[in-house]
Amino acid sequence: AQSVTQPDIHITVSEGASLELRCNYSYGATPYLFWYVQSPGQGLQLLLKYFSGDTLVQGIKGFEAEFKRSQSSFNLRKPSVHWSDAAEYFCAVGARPGGSYIPTFGRGTSLIVHP
Amino acid sequence: DAGVIQSPRHEVTEMGQEVTLRCKPISGHNSLFWYRQTMMRGLELLIYFNNNVPIDDSGMPEDRFSAKMPNASFSTLKIQPSEPRDSAVYFCASSPEGLATQSEQFFGPGTRLTVL
Repeated sequence: AQSVTQPDIHITVSEGASLELRCNYSYGATPYLFWYVQSPGQGLQLLLKYFSGDTLVQGIKGFEAEFKRSQSSFNLRKPSVHWSDAAEYFCAVGARPGGSYIPTFGRGTSLIVHP
Repeated sequence: DAGVIQSPRHEVTEMGQEVTLRCKPISGHNSLFWYRQTMMRGLELLIYFNNNVPIDDSGMPEDRFSAKMPNASFSTLKIQPSEPRDSAVYFCASSPEGLATQSEQFFGPGTRLTVL
């Protein structure tokens, strides 16, 4: 079965600073990888996804993520953080055992942005 | 599009009462998912439907939980009887094109359930 680890429970950055949120996955084959963002009191919204091809994927709101098979990682990055980026970020891996798609989410990383 | 609609947004009930959570997926989406989010366990997939048929309910914690999808535009998650440990935020999500593709999920705003 697949699993996802987000090692950082909280990350604090200053507005304008760069950001990297870590995600490590465990899955035997090529995974489908996602990053979602959850603002307070809201549901999750997809930031970006990787299925195949270019290992650097661009998402909404200026985010990007890089798939590194050798490290089993899919870290999320943003060059300059805005105060509105403060939220909970979830990495997810999708698998297809038996032909069905079952997503597994990490525990999330809470991003705090200081002015 | 109104997105995934969940009701109620907040529910406070007493232990032993029946609770029904409702979800209206995005029109045209073939898959529907129910999740539970808690601080202790994070986001857990409870059950998912494809074309109104329950595909996998292995995440449903116990027999007190049941879910139905009588048609493509409506689903319910019922807890009977409810217990304090059921307190959580319950999300419904829908996805286009069914389970055979790598479609993203569209989440509703969630129902915050408090069982006293």
